Amino acid sequence: LAKTTQPISMDSYEGQEVNITCSHNNIATNDYITWYQQFPSQGPRFIIQGYKTKVTNEVASLFIPADRKSSTLSLPRVSLSDTAVYYCLVGDAPRYYGGSQGNLIFGKGTKLSVKP
Amino acid sequence: GAGVSQSPSNKVTEKGKDVELRCDPISGHTALYWYRQSLGQGLEFLIYFQGNSAPDKSGLPSDRFSAERTGGSVSTLTIQRTQQEDSAVYLCASSRGTGASGELFFGEGSRLTVL
Repeated sequence: LAKTTQPISMDSYEGQEVNITCSHNNIATNDYITWYQQFPSQGPRFIIQGYKTKVTNEVASLFIPADRKSSTLSLPRVSLSDTAVYYCLVGDAPRYYGGSQGNLIFGKGTKLSVKP
Repeated sequence: GAGVSQSPSNKVTEKGKDVELRCDPISGHTALYWYRQSLGQGLEFLIYFQGNSAPDKSGLPSDRFSAERTGGSVSTLTIQRTQQEDSAVYLCASSRGTGASGELFFGEGSRLTVL
């Protein structure tokens, strides 16, 4: 299983763009990269998922270089409500693509603090 | 239901007692996960169910922990002879198990306190 490494914490100010990088040097061919957000006293919530290059949705962008050994979650113009812990997750491709989606390992996450 | 439902939301028990935590996944989701989160820590994988396949129990910390999933739906996590170090939030998640995203949908968790 691919192990992930993220910064423990990051600070930012409202309106800034925040980039959180995750390292996953031993990512496997079938592995997807997924990011989750967790607020205190809540379960994690899916943000974005990708396999390679760039993925963008209404919340964030995910940049994955060609070697896929790292990925960067980009949050545009953060607000105070974006203060949360962000987890990078690397796991098997969903069953649709023939993967097993076996146990999915969360790292310790990155605690993002957004200040006014 | 609309989302993953867990009960109880809070459980206080005495050391040595057994506890059962329940998870009701989103209807139609074939995959179900249990995680444990200690205060200020990340998520620790416990067990994974996928359809009728044998569960992946590789994350269970000891033989005091067990889980079952009846009829491919509701799951119960049982902790026998609880210890103080078992105090944590136990999170359940489900996913479709098929389709492109494999997105996990988490419940609000069951907070266990062992005195």
